[in-house]
Amino acid sequence: QQPVQSPQAVILREGEDAVINCSSSKALYSVHWYRQKHGEAPVFLMILLKGGEQKGHEKISASFNEKKQQSSLYLTASQLSYSGTYFCGTEIPGTYKYIFGTGTRLKVLA
Amino acid sequence: NAGVTQTPKFQVLKTGQSMTLQCAQDMNHNSMYWYRQDPGMGLRLIYYSASEGTTDKGEVPNGYNVSRLNKREFSLRLESAAPSQTSVYFCASSNTGMGEAFFGQGTRLTVV
Repeated sequence: QQPVQSPQAVILREGEDAVINCSSSKALYSVHWYRQKHGEAPVFLMILLKGGEQKGHEKISASFNEKKQQSSLYLTASQLSYSGTYFCGTEIPGTYKYIFGTGTRLKVLA
Repeated sequence: NAGVTQTPKFQVLKTGQSMTLQCAQDMNHNSMYWYRQDPGMGLRLIYYSASEGTTDKGEVPNGYNVSRLNKREFSLRLESAAPSQTSVYFCASSNTGMGEAFFGQGTRLTVV
């Protein structure tokens, strides 16, 4: 039931781009993206809603394909501060149950 | 502007001991959640509460109980701690339906 993220881990050099994918076996009405730094709690980055509306971050964007039950997070011109673990999160429709994807560890090197 | 407050931040228990993790939010959110995160792993839902007076099991409820005391507070109880419950526990809250989750700072629990 947990959304599956890919890749599991990625290493980048500063300035490079990355894409993180989140696939669900259940219908998605909205998807949230979070970043978790080591030893800290996850922090909200952006929300994707049905119809493609997104709210979030300047250099981080995302897409949401409701039919494919997928969302992708695009990090452009990565900075050292982008390092961390990224999670997608979603509420399972009709349940009030909020679950997270498997996570993607991202490390940006100087 | 406290957000979600969890206590304690750290705890060491002996096998068989019991304890309660406390969580309170001041954002008037309806939904509250307890997750556990094992090293290098994702967040797994233990229990959740969609409103005051209701609680439901998540993905890994065995060995835990919860209480939604009021709209603000949601506690997690370990009745008889086991080493397998060594983990970082996060409480979170959200507006049901569309809202993102806001997290407490986490409780690092070690059971020896």
